[in-house]
Amino acid sequence: GAVVSQHPSWVICKSGTSVKIECRSLDFQATTMFWYRQFPKQSLMLMATSNEGSKATYEQGVEKDKFLINHASLTLSTLTVTSAHPEDSSFYICSARGHISTDTQYFGPGTRLTVL
Amino acid sequence: GENVEQHPSTLSVQEGDSAVIKCTYSDSASNYFPWYKQELGKRPQLIIDIRSNVGEKKDQRIAVTLNKTAKHFSLHITETQPEDSAVYFCAADNAGNMLTFGGGTRLMVKP
Repeated sequence: GAVVSQHPSWVICKSGTSVKIECRSLDFQATTMFWYRQFPKQSLMLMATSNEGSKATYEQGVEKDKFLINHASLTLSTLTVTSAHPEDSSFYICSARGHISTDTQYFGPGTRLTVL
Repeated sequence: GENVEQHPSTLSVQEGDSAVIKCTYSDSASNYFPWYKQELGKRPQLIIDIRSNVGEKKDQRIAVTLNKTAKHFSLHITETQPEDSAVYFCAADNAGNMLTFGGGTRLMVKP
């Protein structure tokens, strides 16, 4: 149980394009989803928290107009990196938390984004 | 906000030895402390967690201890095996149940 999927697993795009990443909870309803960014050999840095049906809460220093988050249902959240630039290249990982275990987060497999 | 410090950043042990990773946190209101194992290029996997009403928790070769007064918690792995080699992250929750992660420990188990 508690499986989270993420799509795509990796993407290469040109500078200036937008990239959408999907995060799905497959066997539970995720009341809250989190988006993290992880640079090589570094820790996970929380970008934003999203609750189903409401606006995401962004961490300090994360541009909400650049990283658009939508959490339209209890099983799906999307992160769109708009006008991506090489410095946005990173490993983006989502996690989901359900209403049964309200503190445990289950992570998706991550999306490796490379912006040329 | 919460601040989590993790030590050491790298740890090399011989197969069969024990490994200990320590974390400290700053927010006394934190009450949930998970540990994640992340292999290269893969997702973090929850390996054990502890809540503030418990001082120690064990699951086979893995144990976690928590000292709320001192605001530190530790991961103990006994009888290490090469497949234990990975990066381990501690984390602590904060207001809103968001997790703040430590910087990670790269554990290398030499056969």
